[in-house]
Amino acid sequence: GAVVSQHPSWVICKSGTSVKIECRSLDFQATTMFWYRQFPKQSLMLMATSNEGSKATYEQGVEKDKFLINHASLTLSTLTVTSAHPEDSSFYICSARVGTSGISGELFFGEGSRLTVL
Amino acid sequence: GIQVEQSPPDLILQEGANSTLRCNFSDSVNNLQWFHQNPWGQLINLFYIPSGTKQNGRLSATTVATERYSLLYISSSQTTDSGVYFCAVSRNTDKLIFGTGTRLQVFP
Repeated sequence: GAVVSQHPSWVICKSGTSVKIECRSLDFQATTMFWYRQFPKQSLMLMATSNEGSKATYEQGVEKDKFLINHASLTLSTLTVTSAHPEDSSFYICSARVGTSGISGELFFGEGSRLTVL
Repeated sequence: GIQVEQSPPDLILQEGANSTLRCNFSDSVNNLQWFHQNPWGQLINLFYIPSGTKQNGRLSATTVATERYSLLYISSSQTTDSGVYFCAVSRNTDKLIFGTGTRLQVFP
């Protein structure tokens, strides 16, 4: 299967600081990537769709000014949590689809990034 | 939006037992995937199965799209099968909507 890699795997930061998480497609190009968030013992919730060369689209209830997404190339999307607070502590996972034709296909996920805000 | 419910929510098995996990969805879909989330949080792709039946080793899956459900079968379970199993669906989009998950614990 396709490989999606995230970095860092885990990060601890102080309240009020910003944290950047990278998501890379290692062996394919991805015009679209997705960012999910998962709280302990809960399911994954889609936060936003990252589109290469254009603005991200955010799901209802997700603050776009707090969660900045940049998709500057076909293999890299970044999520920046700005002015992080303890309630932003969560597991963030990105995903991407191989191929650009059609509107459906198998999605592959990164290893996830665990954020802890003190 | 589409609702995705999984059952059972929790499952405890002894090594060697078989199990069936179910995924019900509220609308027609053109993408359905099963994942295993290991204790470190990594999502492992098990099946991409919008319809039909597939098998991979001790695992198999069946999706009956017309009746809006999918089943994941685990045979001869092993302790390494422990974790959370998710199904996720989408309709006319790449946005996967995740189910509620089934937490599986396999004891030796």
